[in-house]
Parts: sequence; structure tokens; C-alpha cells
Amino acid sequence: GAVVSQHPSWVICKSGTSVKIECRSLDFQATTMFWYRQFPKQSLMLMATSNEGSKATYEQGVEKDKFLINHASLTLSTLTVTSAHPEDSSFYICSAHSGSVVGELFFGEGSRLTVL
Amino acid sequence: TQLLEQSPQFLSIQEGENLTVYCNSSSVFSSLQWYRQEPGEGPVLLVTVVTGGEVKKLKRLTFQFGDARKDSSLHITAAQPGDTGLYLCAGGKRLTFGEGTQLTVNP
Repeated sequence: GAVVSQHPSWVICKSGTSVKIECRSLDFQATTMFWYRQFPKQSLMLMATSNEGSKATYEQGVEKDKFLINHASLTLSTLTVTSAHPEDSSFYICSAHSGSVVGELFFGEGSRLTVL
Repeated sequence: TQLLEQSPQFLSIQEGENLTVYCNSSSVFSSLQWYRQEPGEGPVLLVTVVTGGEVKKLKRLTFQFGDARKDSSLHITAAQPGDTGLYLCAGGKRLTFGEGTQLTVNP
């Protein structure tokens, strides 16, 4: 299947700093990518839809100024957690459609963020 | 908003037992996907069901899509410890996820 890669896989930062997470589609082009947040033993919560060349669409309750999304190319979307605080600690996952089957998504490996 | 309800949310069984996980909605879906996720990793697609009444088999896993395309089930035969993980159903244009079923298979 299609391959989506995230980096870094884990990051620890101090409160108040910003952290950038990258999501790359390695063998296909993705005009749309999705960012999720996941708490332990819970399902995925969609945060935003990243659109190549345009603004991201954020889900209700997600602060767009807090979670900056940039989708500058067809293979790369980035999520920046600005002025991170301990409550932002979570598992962040991205996904993308490969386009071969409607609705099928391929996920990155996830990025574990810990804010001290 | 299309909602998906999964049950059970937690399941702990012994190796060799059979189990079924359900994914239900009041909405009609053009397709549903099942994913499996292990701790610290992203979900991995297991199967997509598209046609009402469709049954797909993946080794010991059997997936069924309801006739009305509002529900789906995942049946695992003779579960093994390697089947342990979080099973998620998902569907819809905005890819709504169910709450997940955390399966633990004890040796």
C-alpha cells in the first residue's frame, strides 16, 4: 500500500516552545492530508484537513493559531504546535488518501509529543 | 454528522477464542474501513467494504458490511496474542472514526 511517513516519531520539549511535525507521502501525491490527535486508549480525533496550496480546514474546537498547518507541496504537510503546554502532550497522527480507493487512508507512524 | 458506535470498547480473551466487534450507525455509508493500531504506531488499513451485504476475509478475520450499509462487523476466529491491538472502524467523507475496540488476547 501507499506509504506515509511522519517525523519526528517522538519529541520532548519545554513549555512555551514550538514544535514542528512533518508528514510526507513517499510514493504518491496527496492534495489533502489529515491531522489527528489521539489520547491513550482512545480513538482518533480529527483536528484539521490540510489542503495543498490553500488554508487548512480546522475542526470545531481546534485553535488554528495554536496548531499551524502548512501544506506547501503535494507530498508534505507540517503541523506546528505553537507555544506548547503540557496539555498539548499527545500522539499526533497524519494521514492521506492515495486516491486509488475512495475513503481509504494511509497513516503515518505517529508523533509522540511530550511537553514538560 | 455521521457517527459510528463501536462495541465492545474493551475485550480481553484467551488465545483460541473467537470474537466479534461491531460498528453501528444510523447513517448510510458508501464504504467503511477497518483499521488496526498497535501502541505507538499509526493505524494500518485492514479492509474496505463497499457493497451492502459484502463479506471479506483476511486470513482469520472476517468483515461484513450490513445490507443497509449502516453497520459492519469484524469477526476473528481462533484469536492469537498477535491480534492484540486497537481496532477502529471508519467511514464517511470526513472519515469519522468509531471509538475503537481495544482487544487483548492472552496467551
